[in-house]
Amino acid sequence: ETGVTQSPTHLIKTRGQQVTLRCSSQSGHNTVSWYQQALGQGPQFIFQYYREEENGRGNFPPRFSGLQFPNYSSELNVNALELDDSALYLCASSYPGQGAHGELFFGEGSRLTVL
Amino acid sequence: AQSVTQLDSHVSVSEGTPVLLRCNYSSSYSPSLFWYVQHPNKGLQLLLKYTSAATLVKGINGFEAEFKKSETSFHLTKPSAHMSDAAEYFCVVSDRAGTYKYIFGTGTRLKVLA
Repeated sequence: ETGVTQSPTHLIKTRGQQVTLRCSSQSGHNTVSWYQQALGQGPQFIFQYYREEENGRGNFPPRFSGLQFPNYSSELNVNALELDDSALYLCASSYPGQGAHGELFFGEGSRLTVL
Repeated sequence: AQSVTQLDSHVSVSEGTPVLLRCNYSSSYSPSLFWYVQHPNKGLQLLLKYTSAATLVKGINGFEAEFKKSETSFHLTKPSAHMSDAAEYFCVVSDRAGTYKYIFGTGTRLKVLA
């Protein structure tokens, strides 16, 4: 069984630029969530995609956007990058049907540095 | 709104001694609770989850946690620490039944001394 994979693992951007992060979900999982983990903090929920539709969003501005594709892979796009966007971005996949106790399976993350 | 509070940002124990990582939660209804571990440069790994079937939950690598509704706590324990347990641990509550929005605590960094 293939786990959650993310790319790139590290990248450096400058303020104002745009970035796209990619995620391949675990086999059989059709729900993808994205989290932002700032240094020394716990991950914070950005949004979730289910069947190519946004299915919940955290307290992040619209310049954070996403896509989910028919093969359930996903992208996170961030426009107009700010210094505070520097963080580890985590993708997690899950399979509905686990009820209220669903487990998320996380990738190793993409570390974004904004200069 | 739901939340979790991890009471210690850092915990140090000697190898072979017990581990206790503390977590309190706030929830307006029956919560789903999890503990995840994050090793350096690794993804988050599920240690255990509370499913409401039993208040004492056993997880991987000898960890367990007890759900105490009266104390709104979900502390993580292990009888004997191993050097490989050194990592960041996160207590997590799910947002509401049927969704997968996790609310993470701020984490507890566990250091294991030889």
